[in-house]
Amino acid sequence: AQSVTQLGSHVSVSEGALVLLRCNYSSSVPPYLFWYVQYPNQGLQLLLKYTTGATLVKGINGFEAEFKKSETSFHLTKPSAHMSDAAEYFCAVRRNTGNQFYFGTGTSLTVIP
Amino acid sequence: DSGVTQTPKHLITATGQRVTLRCSPRSGDLSVYWYQQSLDQGLQFLIQYYNGEERAKGNILERFSAQQFPDLHSELNLSSLELGDSALYFCASSRDRGSYNEQFFGPGTRLTVL
Repeated sequence: AQSVTQLGSHVSVSEGALVLLRCNYSSSVPPYLFWYVQYPNQGLQLLLKYTTGATLVKGINGFEAEFKKSETSFHLTKPSAHMSDAAEYFCAVRRNTGNQFYFGTGTSLTVIP
Repeated sequence: DSGVTQTPKHLITATGQRVTLRCSPRSGDLSVYWYQQSLDQGLQFLIQYYNGEERAKGNILERFSAQQFPDLHSELNLSSLELGDSALYFCASSRDRGSYNEQFFGPGTRLTVL
């Protein structure tokens, strides 16, 4: 069975500080991994995805994530937080042989001026 | 703009009623997914259709049903509505059924059951 765990439902960082949002998955085979962002009153927007190849994936708005198979993790990072990064972030996993996405419970990011 | 459209944007109705939510996928996308997002349950996958056929089922109640039409738009029908059905309902689409393609989300329909 698939599951996705996002550690920390709320994360606060100061503007300019490092952003680290954690995501761990459980899967019997390497899955496809995604990070989505949801701004208030909007739908989810894809930040980045890992399918195969390079384990460090760069996405939009300066975000990146690293797939670590040994740790079953796909943490999202950004070197310097901006006020506009305040949003809800969702990690999702999809098996490479299936259809269904499994979303984590989300992490709300607050950026403090 | 993801290219996925959902109507209506807001819906207010009473308990016991029935509503229909509509979704048009991105041009060329064959798969449509429905999700429910509420404060206490988070983002819950409801159901997926691929090219008119049901492909996967998640936490969808028996009071809820969906279908995908030949033009690939989809409708989610919610009946015998309860207060707890108040939520944001998202539709997403993807290119096909079994690849690593990401899902593109619509703006959602906010359902309020009074």
